[in-house]
Amino acid sequence: ETAVFQTPNYHVTQVGNEVSFNCKQTLGHDTMYWYKQDSKKLLKIMFSYNNKQLIVNETVPRRFSPQSSDKAHLNLRIKSVEPEDSAVYLCASSSWGGQNTLYFGAGTRLSVL
Amino acid sequence: GDSVTQTEGLVTLTEGLPVMLNCTYQTIYSNPFLFWYVQHLNESPRLLLKSFTDNKRTEHQGFHATLHKSSSSFHLQKSSAQLSDSALYYCALSDRNNNAPRFGAGTKLSVKP
Repeated sequence: ETAVFQTPNYHVTQVGNEVSFNCKQTLGHDTMYWYKQDSKKLLKIMFSYNNKQLIVNETVPRRFSPQSSDKAHLNLRIKSVEPEDSAVYLCASSSWGGQNTLYFGAGTRLSVL
Repeated sequence: GDSVTQTEGLVTLTEGLPVMLNCTYQTIYSNPFLFWYVQHLNESPRLLLKSFTDNKRTEHQGFHATLHKSSSSFHLQKSSAQLSDSALYYCALSDRNNNAPRFGAGTKLSVKP
């Protein structure tokens, strides 16, 4: 099956803890993204990578750090979570080029207590 | 920077009535790429349709939209709403510089019997 796979599906943690989310795509794409979908369903770009190179780095707190080992994998680490980090983190992939379709994973829902 | 403005909040329709969800955008680029993504409950966003050509109608799954660069608009329409159309609809904007697509705030469509 070709798709975008995210782990974990859910994560509950406490303020100040570190969390990591993983994303893998088997679509053969060369560009991957992290989007944050908040409780109001606003969908905002955080980072994008093309062939392991960081392309887009929006204004996000420094406690967020993406990592890409190869073009099929993109991870996200949050060093010390805050309550406002509670959201669904959506990983997506596409072929390089603004005209190309994004394919989203199922998302990781983070709850910070 | 780029921005997308959509019909705000919730649109409630009776089954069989026409659907129109508004989308306007702002960009410095002369060749924008416009997309509509749909997110059903407990699912991830997926592409509904996209367009890059001025004044050309694009259709998919009964929905259609036309990119009008003169008015910076890309409204989504359907002639007859179905119950299964109930979902969250996002308009998104990209460009040839491979910036990550920017999403509007989303419009929730609720179709009632």
